[in-house]
Amino acid sequence: QKEVEQNSGPLSVPEGAIASLNCTYSDRGSQSFFWYRQYSGKSPELIMSIYSNGDKEDGRFTAQLNKASQYVSLLIRDSQPSDSATYLCAVRDSGYSTLTFGKGTMLLVSP
Amino acid sequence: EAGVAQSPRYKIIEKRQSVAFWCNPISGHATLYWYQQILGQGPKLLIQFQNNGVVDDSQLPKDRFSAERLKGVDSTLKIQPAKLEDSAVYLCASIRGRGQETQYFGPGTRLLVL
Repeated sequence: QKEVEQNSGPLSVPEGAIASLNCTYSDRGSQSFFWYRQYSGKSPELIMSIYSNGDKEDGRFTAQLNKASQYVSLLIRDSQPSDSATYLCAVRDSGYSTLTFGKGTMLLVSP
Repeated sequence: EAGVAQSPRYKIIEKRQSVAFWCNPISGHATLYWYQQILGQGPKLLIQFQNNGVVDDSQLPKDRFSAERLKGVDSTLKIQPAKLEDSAVYLCASIRGRGQETQYFGPGTRLLVL
């Protein structure tokens, strides 16, 4: 049974701070890693994907992957109140296989 | 390009009743997924279609859930009979091919079973 673990939070940070969201996964065969953002009452939207070890930056978002430690993280710099949402970590191995989602971490950014 | 369409957006039924949800994926997308998202949890895959064939239905409760994608385009997910624990958001997602692609989610159908 593939598992993706996230701290459910909430993670509270002040506006302008760095938010750090973490995720661990159980399947060493996992190849692709994703961070989705989900606002309350809305469907998930992809914000970052990462496939190889190291960091990947996109604007205020940085995804970090360490396959040896089976660990993925998402850093949000200069956090804004509009970043308040649940962040879902998702993992996929290869080919046809499907995404396995974590339970999500709720992020609250206070003005 | 139009996104993934789902209907209805909301549904309230009593336990033991039946319900059906409809999904129309993005045009040209061969792979379609149905997920169940219970409040406070991440989406859980119910079934994956590649064109009109089932690729993965290992987590579909087949005694009460069924799904079809007869013409390889739109899809229907049915629950019969519904239980209280089926209260959730049912999300449809699609990708053009298979494998290394971004999944695009529809708005979801919110089901409440009383």
